[in-house]
Amino acid sequence: DAKTTQPNSMESNEEEPVHLPCNHSTISGTDYIHWYRQLPSQGPEYVIHGLTSNVNNRMASLAIAEDRKSSTLILHRATLRDAAVYYCILRDVPRDDKIIFGKGTRLHILP
Amino acid sequence: EAQVTQNPRYLITVTGKKLTVTCSQNMNHEYMSWYRQDPGLGLRQIYYSMNVEVTDKGDVPEGYKVSRKEKRNFPLILESPSPNQTSLYFCASSYGTGGYEQYFGPGTRLTVT
Repeated sequence: DAKTTQPNSMESNEEEPVHLPCNHSTISGTDYIHWYRQLPSQGPEYVIHGLTSNVNNRMASLAIAEDRKSSTLILHRATLRDAAVYYCILRDVPRDDKIIFGKGTRLHILP
Repeated sequence: EAQVTQNPRYLITVTGKKLTVTCSQNMNHEYMSWYRQDPGLGLRQIYYSMNVEVTDKGDVPEGYKVSRKEKRNFPLILESPSPNQTSLYFCASSYGTGGYEQYFGPGTRLTVT
């Protein structure tokens, strides 16, 4: 099962961009890259996903390396409400649905 | 409103007393999963189901059972709970695998004494 590695924690100033890295060197050709975040005392919530091309949505952008062995979640202008644990996971099509979340990156936002 | 519901939200029980945590989704999703979350260990998948009557083990299935008799429900069964199953449990559902997002329930905090 493909795994991801992320830094344990990161810090950023409010209203500045944040780049959260994720390594997935054993990614397969059919793995989608997903990002979720978990706010304090809540269940995880979906942020964004992609396969090969960079993706944008209202919450964030996802930049995927050309060899797909790494990706970066970009929060364009961090707010205090973005303080959460961010998880990068891989999800395959559709052989099975084993998902490995890992410990994620705890993002601290400084006012 | 599209949602995943779990019951109960909080449960304190004793070792060996069988319990069931229910999970229900109203989005007609094919795929459902159960996770547990423990401090310092992140989210770990217990079981998943890719369709009615189709279930499979995740990363940490020992001590748990599941069933998927109908699409909307995916109960988690602890036949003989032990203190090491004290944890925060999340149910999730999605329309498919690959490029489909998962929707998570609010969580069930279980304490086994």
